[in-house]
Amino acid sequence: GDSVTQTEGLVTVTEGLPVKLNCTYQTTYLTIAFFWYVQYLNEAPQVLLRSSTDNKRTEHQGFHATLHKSSSSFHLQKSSAQLSDSALYYCALSDPGGYKVVFGSGTRLLVSP
Amino acid sequence: ETAVFQTPNYHVTQVGNEVSFNCKQTLGHDTMYWYKQDSKKLLKIMFSYNNKQLIVNETVPRRFSPQSSDKAHLNLRIKSVEPEDSAVYLCASSLQGADNNQAPLFGEGTRLSVL
Repeated sequence: GDSVTQTEGLVTVTEGLPVKLNCTYQTTYLTIAFFWYVQYLNEAPQVLLRSSTDNKRTEHQGFHATLHKSSSSFHLQKSSAQLSDSALYYCALSDPGGYKVVFGSGTRLLVSP
Repeated sequence: ETAVFQTPNYHVTQVGNEVSFNCKQTLGHDTMYWYKQDSKKLLKIMFSYNNKQLIVNETVPRRFSPQSSDKAHLNLRIKSVEPEDSAVYLCASSLQGADNNQAPLFGEGTRLSVL
């Protein structure tokens, strides 16, 4: 079945420095949508980015990600981390019908002063 | 702004009891989901419905049963709760189509504690 792998459980970074959260996937579908979600403490997950186009950069709120089907990756990056970015981040993929969205195990980002 | 409403916010119960959770979306979406987020923050899909038809039914214990009266409502009943059912149950909705895989929008969740 489809799966999403986030290898880092915790990423710590100093404010102002770049950050990268890794996401790789396995799927048998050719056409599929990918998402990054962010979940702040005691809140619901909310979508941060969405993409289904190979090699196209997607940006939102200072974060960006590029889907690379050749390496089955959809890493999340930001050039300058902010204290307010501290949260839990999920990478997810959707089947072509959109009825099954599978999430990775999540990466907690901690930005320190 | 919340457009996926879940009730109750919290529920504490004892092993063996039956519980029901409600979810309603006001976005006109056609697809709704139930997810379970456990204590390790793993987010796993349980069920999804499209226009009140069951589409995805993951491997969950039989004591879990979803119900959808229309495309705006999706409920979840747990017949005889067990300690491992303690978790946050998240409802989500989206609008799907051939070229329109929207990201599911989540409600605030129902936190279940089984004593």
